[in-house]
Amino acid sequence: DTGVSQNPRHKITKRGQNVTFRCDPISEHNRLYWYRQTLGQGPEFLTYFQNEAQLEKSRLLSDRFSAERPKGSFSTLEIQRTEQGDSAMYLCASSGDWQTDTQYFGPGTRLTVL
Amino acid sequence: KNQVEQSPQSLIILEGKNCTLQCNYTVSPFSNLRWYKQDTGRGPVSLTIMTFSENTKSNGRYTATLDADTKQSSLHITASQLSDSASYICVVSAGPTSYDKVIFGPGTSLSVIP
Repeated sequence: DTGVSQNPRHKITKRGQNVTFRCDPISEHNRLYWYRQTLGQGPEFLTYFQNEAQLEKSRLLSDRFSAERPKGSFSTLEIQRTEQGDSAMYLCASSGDWQTDTQYFGPGTRLTVL
Repeated sequence: KNQVEQSPQSLIILEGKNCTLQCNYTVSPFSNLRWYKQDTGRGPVSLTIMTFSENTKSNGRYTATLDADTKQSSLHITASQLSDSASYICVVSAGPTSYDKVIFGPGTSLSVIP
C-alpha cells in the first residue's frame, strides 16, 4: 500500500498524559499537512510542512501541540498534557503536486481523552 | 471572515436517483475549490478540484460546478449507488498560493438507500 499511513489508528489516554502520532506520507510527496476533525464537522487545518520546514501553523495549535518532520519524510504530532477537548480524529495528508496541491489523506488517528 | 457553508446538512436518497449538494463560500482571495468524499471512519478522498477559470469538472458519476461570481459550487451525483453513502466536504483554498489557507466546510452527509 503506497498511500498515506498513520499510527496508531486509535489511542485512548487519560487526561494529562502525553501522546504522539505518526504519519508516513506518500513517498516523495514534499508537502505534509495535519488536520483535526471532530464528530460531524469538517477537518480543521493545524499545520503544514514543505519538506522538513514547518511553514504554517493554525491558531488552533496551542503550545501543547508540536509537530515535526525531521528528515522531510514522516512526521510526528505530539500533544502534551492532553485535555478532554483534544478528543478528535487527527488526519494527515500529503501532496506532491505544486500546482493543484491535491492532498491525499491518511485514515486518521482517533484520540479519546478520558 | 473566510467561511464555507454546505447544504443540505444531510440527505437521504433512493439508489439510482440523482442528487445535488451545494457549497457557498466567502473566501478571498480565491485559489481553488475541491470536493472530497469521506467514508465513515476514514480520511477524505479527493473527487474534483477547480480553479477560478473552471466552471465544471467531472469525475465519473460526480460533476462539480463553480460560479466564482456568486461564490457557489455544486456537486451533482448521477445514478447514485449504495457506496456513495458518505460525507461530502467542500474545501476552499485562499491566498495567492493554495497552501496559504485551507477552509473546510462542515460536509453534507449522504445516505443512499435501496
